[in-house]
Amino acid sequence: DAGITQSPRYKITETGRQVTLMCHQTWSHSYMFWYRQDLGHGLRLIYYSAAADITDKGEVPDGYVVSRSKTENFPLTLESATRSQTSVYFCASTRDSYSPLHFGNGTRLTVT
Amino acid sequence: AQSVTQPDIHITVSEGASLELRCNYSYGATPYLFWYVQSPGQGLQLLLKYFSGDTLVQGIKGFEAEFKRSQSSFNLRKPSVHWSDAAEYFCAVGGTGGSYIPTFGRGTSLIVHP
Repeated sequence: DAGITQSPRYKITETGRQVTLMCHQTWSHSYMFWYRQDLGHGLRLIYYSAAADITDKGEVPDGYVVSRSKTENFPLTLESATRSQTSVYFCASTRDSYSPLHFGNGTRLTVT
Repeated sequence: AQSVTQPDIHITVSEGASLELRCNYSYGATPYLFWYVQSPGQGLQLLLKYFSGDTLVQGIKGFEAEFKRSQSSFNLRKPSVHWSDAAEYFCAVGGTGGSYIPTFGRGTSLIVHP
């Protein structure tokens, strides 16, 4: 099925551990984004990508790393998780700046 | 820099009542405008979009929005709200000035009373 999928849906990890959130889209969209959503803060952009091997920092990149070796995948890694990174993470993709974003269903991450 | 303001954090309406969610943007030219809806536990889903032409646009689930250039607004409306419309609503401006990064409002939470 065409779409954008995130995995896992739920993740509990301990402070200091590395964790990777996966994002896969089947449309071959050029542009992909990672957001975090927290109560009172709306959506905040973590990283974005214009194409494979082209990534850039968003509003809140500290503590996160991304890669994009293939157009369809855009994993987000928390190198050493902290409690402040407890959040819901959304991946999104779009064809161009004139088109709407397509969002995954999110990953709810809890850092204990 | 462009910005999007949704002045209402929460809106409460009774089922069957009409609804208007406000959105104001800051951008020199006519931007690409979007409304998204987020149901609990889900990602954002596109409700409607405005690029050009008719300033009243129709979307899914019976929603419509009107672009008013003079007021820099793109308010979302629905004539009769259903309990299933309870969700978070986000207004967004598409990437402008060579940027492909959209700007989102903070969102408005819609509560529907029976």
